[in-house]
Amino acid sequence: DTEVTQTPKHLVMGMTNKKSLKCEQHMGHRAMYWYKQKAKKPPELMFVYSYEKLSINESVPSRFSPECPNSSLLNLHLHALQPEDSALYLCASSQGQLSNQPQHFGDGTRLSIL
Amino acid sequence: GQSLEQPSEVTAVEGAIVQINCTYQTSGFYGLSWYQQHDGGAPTFLSYNGLDGLEETGRFSSFLSRSDSYGYLLLQELQMKDSASYFCAQRNGSSNTGKLIFGQGTTLQVKP
Repeated sequence: DTEVTQTPKHLVMGMTNKKSLKCEQHMGHRAMYWYKQKAKKPPELMFVYSYEKLSINESVPSRFSPECPNSSLLNLHLHALQPEDSALYLCASSQGQLSNQPQHFGDGTRLSIL
Repeated sequence: GQSLEQPSEVTAVEGAIVQINCTYQTSGFYGLSWYQQHDGGAPTFLSYNGLDGLEETGRFSSFLSRSDSYGYLLLQELQMKDSASYFCAQRNGSSNTGKLIFGQGTTLQVKP
């Protein structure tokens, strides 16, 4: 078990559905991240939030919409996804954004698009 | 942009020592991190080197040589549970923004 909690653990959805991934941490971390990871590949950064404000969007398609309601929560809203979006979606948090501040990852949501 | 190179696979036996190397690009280097990821699990932070030298944490050590743009993760007294993927990672070189770039990962298989 990790200190970053992601729900749901698994999600199967059709291309026309709307769903949301949720992430929660209670470590007082002020930076939160969304990553996408394909099998046998490294995590790829999607979004960074710093002090609840979006600081990095890695040119992610608009069918992915992040939201940070408060310092403990991070959501990823999904709409009209494509089969190639099937992947493991990881949330992470860190105390700040300095190099020596490690990122703590959740177990991820395994997403399958039909 | 940054790229980090590490071997794709390493195999070793229980009780042995294994070294996983990582070379990185020097543009705006802010330090090298190592993460472990078991199949189906979350990446877990192992170690960080901001300065040259060796950092030791139990059976795991990490080394950095900035002059050689090179680091390695050393795993001693290997156990079966060490079978996992290991990623080296560095921060974005243009600024200290929190963007972490991962290497492609090294799959370590520990055999009895």
